[in-house]
Amino acid sequence: RKEVEQDPGPFNVPEGATVAFNCTYSNSASQSFFWYRQDCRKEPKLLMSVYSSGNEDGRFTAQLNRASQYISLLIRDSKLSDSATYLCVALNTGNQFYFGTGTSLTVIP
Amino acid sequence: NAGVMQNPRHLVRRRGQEARLRCSPVKGHSHVYWYRQLPEEGLKFMVYLQKENIIDESGMPKERFSAEFPKEGPSILRIQQVVRGDSAAYFCASPGSLLGTEAFFGQGTRLTVV
Repeated sequence: RKEVEQDPGPFNVPEGATVAFNCTYSNSASQSFFWYRQDCRKEPKLLMSVYSSGNEDGRFTAQLNRASQYISLLIRDSKLSDSATYLCVALNTGNQFYFGTGTSLTVIP
Repeated sequence: NAGVMQNPRHLVRRRGQEARLRCSPVKGHSHVYWYRQLPEEGLKFMVYLQKENIIDESGMPKERFSAEFPKEGPSILRIQQVVRGDSAAYFCASPGSLLGTEAFFGQGTRLTVV
């Protein structure tokens, strides 16, 4: 079983829509969680960390559910510039980062 | 990229040649992670190194691939006798914060084997 699993999509949504991505992780001892964004085969860039209490950064909201071992990312009021691949990441107790394969988002005008 | 330096950005090698990819982590950090991204695929972990120590190489192919991170200088990912299937983007990452939680990536090396 993969450490981190994501629906690859693609998600095609109109501008202004709200879209949610989910991700599950298999290692209950994983310590920290993140969402990264990757554009056009460039390097992944940290979008936000994910905390148990949930956290929000502008149009982006991340949630962690430890009991169910899943992480979510909600994007409100989608912009064209949000089109990218979103990677879910878990950091385990061995300081090893495990990446999901990514979920592709295309925001359509 | 928060200071993670990779070079070269692009590398072309003929089948059978050797490829050497270099990575310097965020200043003050001594851990690096190497990932490979094949065309149309996700990031795959290869190896996790500390200076002069391999911590986890469970993602490294058994043959032709090796990695090191010497006391001085950058981390090196070495691919011997490259084949077409080695063509990929190779990314290096380093912890970037004092807590060492978030990972920051270099811009990657695009290896093309012709």
